Amino acid sequence: EVHVEEFGGRLVQPGGSLRLSCVVSGLTFRNHWMNWVRQARGKGLEWVANINEDGSEIHYVGSVRGRFTISRDNAESSLYLQMNSLRVEDAAVYYCLSNIGYWGQGTLVTVSS
Amino acid sequence: QAVVTQEPSLTVSPGGTVTLTCGSNTGPVTRSHYSYWFQQKPGQAPRTLFYETNGRHSWTPARFSVSLLGGKTVLTLSGAQPEDEAEYYCLLVFDGAVKIGGGTKLTV
Repeated sequence: EVHVEEFGGRLVQPGGSLRLSCVVSGLTFRNHWMNWVRQARGKGLEWVANINEDGSEIHYVGSVRGRFTISRDNAESSLYLQMNSLRVEDAAVYYCLSNIGYWGQGTLVTVSS
Repeated sequence: QAVVTQEPSLTVSPGGTVTLTCGSNTGPVTRSHYSYWFQQKPGQAPRTLFYETNGRHSWTPARFSVSLLGGKTVLTLSGAQPEDEAEYYCLLVFDGAVKIGGGTKLTV
């Protein structure tokens, strides 16, 4: 059984930094593209970033490019999202999503002074 | 910049059939867009119904089907049940980058 779990969400001030983690079990992590998707309260899903199997190809949505960094550790079956210069509009539940459609339950990021 | 379009809302009677569509302003949706369909109910994380065009998960009810038709990806629900009332999202891949549609609120 595949299990995906995100960690690291908390309250942070505007301009602050945060690192999210996602641990995957039950599938061969190194064989899969991975994504971060977020959802602000009451809004739709927004794709944030993705990374290919070995980390050599990465894409970001324009609003986070230059502020967020996606990475992975295949030995640890883990995905990361380093978020810098956080803005109020980055507040959301952040989900980890595999290319074959496994989601975590999400981790809540709140950006407020 | 690619935009993914979905119907904002649809209504279906219990036992009825409804089609949800997902298109792109860049041209027809094809297998190269690796399309996905997600279902999300209030207060829950999304769950994937179909991935990479027509990959079906074990939890996807047989009453849901997906196809590429008329330049769009089409999700068909045949024999709607009350528990199918939810928001449905489509995801398309554009040369590695990803766009998600605004969602379709389905009322049963």
